Amino acid sequence: EADIYQTPRYLVIGTGKKITLECSQTMGHDKMYWYQQDPGMELHLIHYSYGVNSTEKGDLSSESTVSRIRTEHFPLTLESARPSHTSQYLCASSKTTGDEETQYFGPGTRLLVL
Amino acid sequence: KNQVEQSPQSLIILEGKNCTLQCNYTVSPFSNLRWYKQDTGRGPVSLTIMTFSENTKSNGRYTATLDADTKQSSLHITASQLSDSASYICVVSDRGSTLGRLYFGRGTQLTVWP
Repeated sequence: EADIYQTPRYLVIGTGKKITLECSQTMGHDKMYWYQQDPGMELHLIHYSYGVNSTEKGDLSSESTVSRIRTEHFPLTLESARPSHTSQYLCASSKTTGDEETQYFGPGTRLLVL
Repeated sequence: KNQVEQSPQSLIILEGKNCTLQCNYTVSPFSNLRWYKQDTGRGPVSLTIMTFSENTKSNGRYTATLDADTKQSSLHITASQLSDSASYICVVSDRGSTLGRLYFGRGTQLTVWP
């Protein structure tokens, strides 16, 4: 079982609210990721970080922002939530052994914006 | 167009039966292919990883095969159990470690009935 945690697990919130999804890992991994996943669809990378003070946008355009002030913590923030943000958000961290990178996923946050 | 296609989209089998899930990809260059299991409401968990030179790998009742020439992979589940009910996701990496990007399939939703 991976030591990567996400809170909250479920969130129902009104349009226009600011929200922060928390992600933390205790494995000392440098690389962390945020994915968005809709039911029956593939995971889409929205943000990633290769270490402290390093953040990059992923393949899927997102109105969210991230920060990486500490190695173990990678929060995602939506300044003004909209119904189109309703989705599942998965956080992951990875380690590299030789040429193989293994990603470990958190349990996800299911977000519903009314 | 998604570069990783999985079939079938969903599958229902009886407990104790075997099944095979398919994954076709067009990702190039190819680094490795992983099968993940994602339980409902949870993050994906890695089952197997195969590189270009490997054509079969087992993890308990799960056996993955890879044909890098035809760019096809399969995941065979033997003697299915109720706990096998989940989404099985095929993920292909186009390059090793630091510079690699991941391509996700949409998953096959497997339901095992008693």
